[in-house]
Amino acid sequence: QSVLSQPPSASGTPGQRVTISCSGSGSNIGIKYVYWYQQLPGTAPKLLIYSNNQRPSGVPDRFSGFKSGTSASLTISGLRSEDEADYYCAGWNDILSGRVFGGGTKLTVL
Amino acid sequence: EVQLVESGGGLVQPGRSLRLSCTSSGFNFGDYAMSWVRQAPGKGLEWVGLIRRKAYGGTTEYAASVKGRFSISRDESKNIAYLQMNSLKTEDTGVYFCTRDARLFGDLYADLWGQGSLVTVSS
Repeated sequence: QSVLSQPPSASGTPGQRVTISCSGSGSNIGIKYVYWYQQLPGTAPKLLIYSNNQRPSGVPDRFSGFKSGTSASLTISGLRSEDEADYYCAGWNDILSGRVFGGGTKLTVL
Repeated sequence: EVQLVESGGGLVQPGRSLRLSCTSSGFNFGDYAMSWVRQAPGKGLEWVGLIRRKAYGGTTEYAASVKGRFSISRDESKNIAYLQMNSLKTEDTGVYFCTRDARLFGDLYADLWGQGSLVTVSS
């Protein structure tokens, strides 16, 4: 049972827009920043979004992040086959004094 | 090249110990906190713990599932972070990633990941 809640799966066709949600609480997302990671099959995770909505250099602007209250979302526009991966939200939890992850969302590009 | 390379994984019996190393290169190791994150086979990511940089006291934090069994340390002279794992259990099996943690607006977050090291705890 993960502290942050994500849907286990999502899907879309090439060119579509897909949104993945992440739900937390007042001790994590509600008062801290949200981060998103992309894990391609058989590889290490990679930072996709930091500080709720910032993209590291090299991440396409097709990826965007949003946070409101205790929820956050990752939107992928212009879906491509290479976006097929697992996506994780993460943040700091003040009560646990530790980093927490969502359970991950497996994105399938149909 | 900026990178993290984990080593030291392998097969170990329950109750025994193992130490993982995370060797960094291409950046100033002393400027960053370092974390360990694990992933059980077919499962999601689980944060294990972190060690802050010396300027922030080099203090550590651990997940409840490993507290008292695992410890993280760092060697500034070698640019290496360590994860000492004692009293290993079968549920500790998984790939262990080390991460470089950047600090922004008071938050620490993993901005660089190693390729991972597989730890299998089995008799």
